[in-house]
Amino acid sequence: GQSLEQPSEVTAVEGAIVQINCTYQTSGFYGLSWYQQHDGGAPTFLSYNALDGLEETGRFSSFLSRSDSYGYLLLQELQMKDSASYFCAEGAGSYQLTFGKGTKLSVIP
Amino acid sequence: EAQVTQNPRYLITVTGKKLTVTCSQNMNHEYMSWYRQDPGLGLRQIYYSMNVEVTDKGDVPEGYKVSRKEKRNFPLILESPSPNQTSLYFCASSFLAGEKDTQYFGPGTRLTVL
Repeated sequence: GQSLEQPSEVTAVEGAIVQINCTYQTSGFYGLSWYQQHDGGAPTFLSYNALDGLEETGRFSSFLSRSDSYGYLLLQELQMKDSASYFCAEGAGSYQLTFGKGTKLSVIP
Repeated sequence: EAQVTQNPRYLITVTGKKLTVTCSQNMNHEYMSWYRQDPGLGLRQIYYSMNVEVTDKGDVPEGYKVSRKEKRNFPLILESPSPNQTSLYFCASSFLAGEKDTQYFGPGTRLTVL
C-alpha cells in the first residue's frame, strides 16, 4: 500500500519562503503531485514530478528525490491568499491516487 | 467552460434512504474518480473508472456503488447510507496517461446522514 507523511500545520510570514515536505512509502511509484485546497473549496492541481529534480511554476516549485522517497513544495513570495491546505499525492492520474493528510499553511502579516 | 459538476452540493438524509450523487465532466476525460474527505484523514479514494463500463475499487469502497454508462457521467450511489458516511465528497476527472497528471475536481457534495 501507499502512505504519505507531511506536516499537519505550517505558519509563515507574508513575503517569505516556505517549504512543505512529503515523504512516502509505496509498493509502486508513478510520481508525486501537489494540490492546493482553500477552506470550503475543491482541490486544485499545482504541480507534478515524475522524475527527480525541480519543477518550477511561477512562485511555486516542487522537488522529487526517488532515491530518498521524498519531495517538497516550495512557495516563494508568500501572499495572504496562499493560506490553504496543501496535499501531496502519489500516483498517476489514471491509476489509484493516494493523498497525504494535508498541511495547513497559515500566512501571517 | 471546462468543468466537473456535482449535484447536489448539500444533502441531509436519514439512515437507510438510498441516494445518488451525480458527477458530470465536459472535458472528454477517460478517467473519473470519487473521493471522500474527512477531518484529519485527507482525501481517500472510493472508486475510480478508467473508461465506460470499467470501474475499480479505491481505498474505501464499502457502502458505495458506482456506474459508468457514459463517458461524461460517473454517479456515486449509496444504497443504504449510514452516519459514518457523513462526509465531503469530491468527484474528479483526468485524461489517461497525461503528461501532467492533473485531476480536475468538482465543487464537492457535503452529505449528512442522520
